[in-house]
Amino acid sequence: GQQLNQSPQSMFIQEGEDVSMNCTSSSIFNTWLWYKQDPGEGPVLLIALYKAGELTSNGRLTAQFGITRKDSFLNISASIPSDVGIYFCAGRNYGGSQGNLIFGKGTKLSVKP
Amino acid sequence: NAGVTQTPKFRVLKTGQSMTLLCAQDMNHEYMYWYRQDPGMGLRLIHYSVGEGTTAKGEVPDGYNVSRLKKQNFLLGLESAAPSQTSVYFCASSPRTGGFGYTFGSGTRLTVV
Repeated sequence: GQQLNQSPQSMFIQEGEDVSMNCTSSSIFNTWLWYKQDPGEGPVLLIALYKAGELTSNGRLTAQFGITRKDSFLNISASIPSDVGIYFCAGRNYGGSQGNLIFGKGTKLSVKP
Repeated sequence: NAGVTQTPKFRVLKTGQSMTLLCAQDMNHEYMYWYRQDPGMGLRLIHYSVGEGTTAKGEVPDGYNVSRLKKQNFLLGLESAAPSQTSVYFCASSPRTGGFGYTFGSGTRLTVV
C-alpha cells in the first residue's frame, strides 16, 4: 500500500537547538498533518496544511506543504525539554476516503537539557 | 469535555482469549477509527467507521472485528487473541467536514501471552 517516508527516525539534540524533520510520499497528497505523541498518550494534532506551498506556524513550530504535493517539513525552533516525544506526519491523497489518512512511522525526538 | 475515552488502559490476555476495547467520543463526530501502534511501524489503521451502523476495513483488519451501534461508541473486538496482537491500540474520531481534526484517545496497551 501507500507509504510515507518520514526522516529522521530519531534525533538527539541539545536544548535550544533547532530541529527539522520531513516526510515524502510517492503520490500526491491534498492534506498534510503533523502530530505529536507524548509518552503514554495519544497523538495530538499540531499543524494541518491544505494547500501546496502553504507555510503555517504554531508557536515555535513551522510546517510547510511542499510545492510538489509529495512532501512536507516540520521545523521546531529553540527546542525545550517538553518537545520530547514522537512526531508523526500524516497525509491524505486525492480522492481517498476517510480511511486513507496515512501516517509516517514517526520521528522520536530526545532533548538534552 | 472528555474528547475520546478508551477503556481499559491496560490489559493482559492469554492466547485464545477474547476481549472488547471500548472507544467513546462526546464530540458528535461522524467518523471513528481504530489504529494499532507497534515499535518502528507507526500507526496502522485496523478498521474505521463513517457513521452509525457502518464499518470498513483498514490496512490490518485480520483478527479484529468492530461495531458501531451508537454514533458515540466504536468497539474493537478480538475473538481469539494471538501474541502478534500485542500492541498499543488507539481510537480516534473526526468530523465529516471542517478539516482533518483527528482526536485520539490515550490508548490501550494490550499484551497477549
